[in-house]
Amino acid sequence: EPEVTQTPSHQVTQMGQEVILRCVPISNHLYFYWYRQILGQKVEFLVSFYNNEISEKSEIFDDQFSVERPDGSNFTLKIRSTKLEDSAMYFCASSDLTGTVVFFGSGTQLSVL
Amino acid sequence: AQTVTQSQPEMSVQEAETVTLSCTYDTSESDYYLFWYKQPPSRQMILVIRQEAYKQQNATENRFSVNFQKAAKSFSLKISDSQLGDAAMYFCAYGLTGANNLFFGTGTRLTVIP
Repeated sequence: EPEVTQTPSHQVTQMGQEVILRCVPISNHLYFYWYRQILGQKVEFLVSFYNNEISEKSEIFDDQFSVERPDGSNFTLKIRSTKLEDSAMYFCASSDLTGTVVFFGSGTQLSVL
Repeated sequence: AQTVTQSQPEMSVQEAETVTLSCTYDTSESDYYLFWYKQPPSRQMILVIRQEAYKQQNATENRFSVNFQKAAKSFSLKISDSQLGDAAMYFCAYGLTGANNLFFGTGTRLTVIP
């Protein structure tokens, strides 16, 4: 069964450092997403991406965040200068053109020290 | 604004019994989708079941079924013949047709008692 793949599963970084979280969406999907979940809280939408550009973003997705599809398979989330409050599980997701069935990856746990 | 409410932070069920998890949502839209996701201790988000708002028939996936009450804006999940592997956090989520983001509830932690 096709799945969304995320790497790494865990990432530890120092405050102020840049991190890049990587995702390989399901191959025939056209919408890509990043969500995050702070420990013990609900899952929150960050950004969606379609046709090589951001289609929607939340208030959380400020100038410190950026997304990119550098090639035909990868989808990345970059945090330029990490803060302690960026510590969370980051989920990549993808869906087909209808956007009505969203599949999530297994997440990257980001710890900012 | 769209909000999703799960009023049961924790639920427990005896193995092989049936349990129902509640979810309500607030929207002024008529065309949308509703989802239940399961999050086991591994924290992976697994799609359990999905319901289109325009369909009156309740969705069913094996032991999982929903009770969708559109007028009441209620979307509960029923798990029949509960198994130990069903123990997890369950999140209800709402998404608009053609839109890009899902709104999640705060989750219900389900414990299955052997």
